[in-house]
Amino acid sequence: GENVEQHPSTLSVQEGDSAVIKCTYSDSASNYFPWYKQELGKRPQLIIDIRSNVGEKKDQRIAVTLNKTAKHFSLHITETQPEDSAVYFCAARGSSNTGKLIFGQGTTLQVKP
Amino acid sequence: DADVTQTPRNRITKTGKRIMLECSQTKGHDRMYWYRQDPGLGLRLIYYSFDVKDINKGEISDGYSVSRQAQAKFSLSLESAIPNQTALYFCVQYGRTGQCTDTQYFGPGTRLTVL
Repeated sequence: GENVEQHPSTLSVQEGDSAVIKCTYSDSASNYFPWYKQELGKRPQLIIDIRSNVGEKKDQRIAVTLNKTAKHFSLHITETQPEDSAVYFCAARGSSNTGKLIFGQGTTLQVKP
Repeated sequence: DADVTQTPRNRITKTGKRIMLECSQTKGHDRMYWYRQDPGLGLRLIYYSFDVKDINKGEISDGYSVSRQAQAKFSLSLESAIPNQTALYFCVQYGRTGQCTDTQYFGPGTRLTVL
């Protein structure tokens, strides 16, 4: 079945350093890849997304890259700040038009001041 | 995000009880989804619906049922709750607002504890 693997499960960085979270997906027909940030006790919030016709997308300090051939995509956060500390989820949506998202297992990012 | 509401927000119940989680949305979009979140497992799809007559099982539907009473309402039921259904449950609606713009709207979540 469809599957998304996310690594690492936990990540600790010093403030100002970069953080990278990686995901691989199994369904080659997947065409939409969002990233969510979830703060403690809150709902996931979309922070950036990328579609299969684009290789890279950037929004200020965050960027996402997509390698369709290898079926993996990554989230890059530069100049990390303590408020970036949260759980991050990647997801993939297939082309079946059902709108279903298959989520990765999540990465807990801790940014140390 | 106030477009998707969930009730209750927190619930503690006992094994064997029937529980209903309710979700309402105001965006008027057709597609609605129920996910559960468990630590280390991410979010997993339970059921989804495209309209009141179209209900589909997700990857972990066993032990759950749903009802799409109207386009705006999508309820999740646990017929006989068991402790491993303790989780955070999210209702999500999906809308296409343009040719290349679509968004999942998450509800605030329901934290369910089954003792």
